[in-house]
Amino acid sequence: KAGVTQTPRYLIKTRGQQVTLSCSPISGHRSVSWYQQTPGQGLQFLFEYFSETQRNKGNFPGRFSGRQFSNSRSEMNVSTLELGDSALYLCASSLVAGLAGDTQYFGPGTRLTVL
Amino acid sequence: EDQVTQSPEALRLQEGESSSLNCSYTVSGLRGLFWYRQDPGKGPEFLFTLYSAGEEKEKERLKATLTKKESFLHITAPKPEDSATYLCAVQARFSNDYKLSFGAGTTVTVRA
Repeated sequence: KAGVTQTPRYLIKTRGQQVTLSCSPISGHRSVSWYQQTPGQGLQFLFEYFSETQRNKGNFPGRFSGRQFSNSRSEMNVSTLELGDSALYLCASSLVAGLAGDTQYFGPGTRLTVL
Repeated sequence: EDQVTQSPEALRLQEGESSSLNCSYTVSGLRGLFWYRQDPGKGPEFLFTLYSAGEEKEKERLKATLTKKESFLHITAPKPEDSATYLCAVQARFSNDYKLSFGAGTTVTVRA
């Protein structure tokens, strides 16, 4: 079974630009979560989608947004990029999320560098 | 708010030298405690899920245990390929928030 895939793997952008990252979950998984990982803050939760609906959102500004499609694939968008947005963005999928035994499996991440 | 503290921050071991990593947590009802392994530049790789105090799980040289306040990841006779950052995360039960709250991780280096 294929794992979680994320594209692109690497991105270099300049301040003020916007970026869209894509995530394809494990086949059959309906929940997709996004996390930001930086050396200073570690792994922080961005948002979670289930059945095309955002169920939860972390403490990030409105420049960070996302969506989920009917095939469970998800995208996240960051507008007006700032230097501090440089990070590894990780997508994780799970069958439903919230149930005992429902593990989140992570993709390889997208490394975003903002210059 | 859920809190997860991992110690030590870094651990340097000789091949074959067993040791333990600690994960202390504060959560309003535990739905699950998760251990992941992360290699540099890669996404976290799932290792274990623990649900209730007293539970133990093993995989090769790794064994995870859980109490009401902390979890331990024991590494028995480690090999250089066990070098990685080990992450602990909790998921709260009494909410509709399914996010994982992560600790900062323990970076393990195993020398041959």
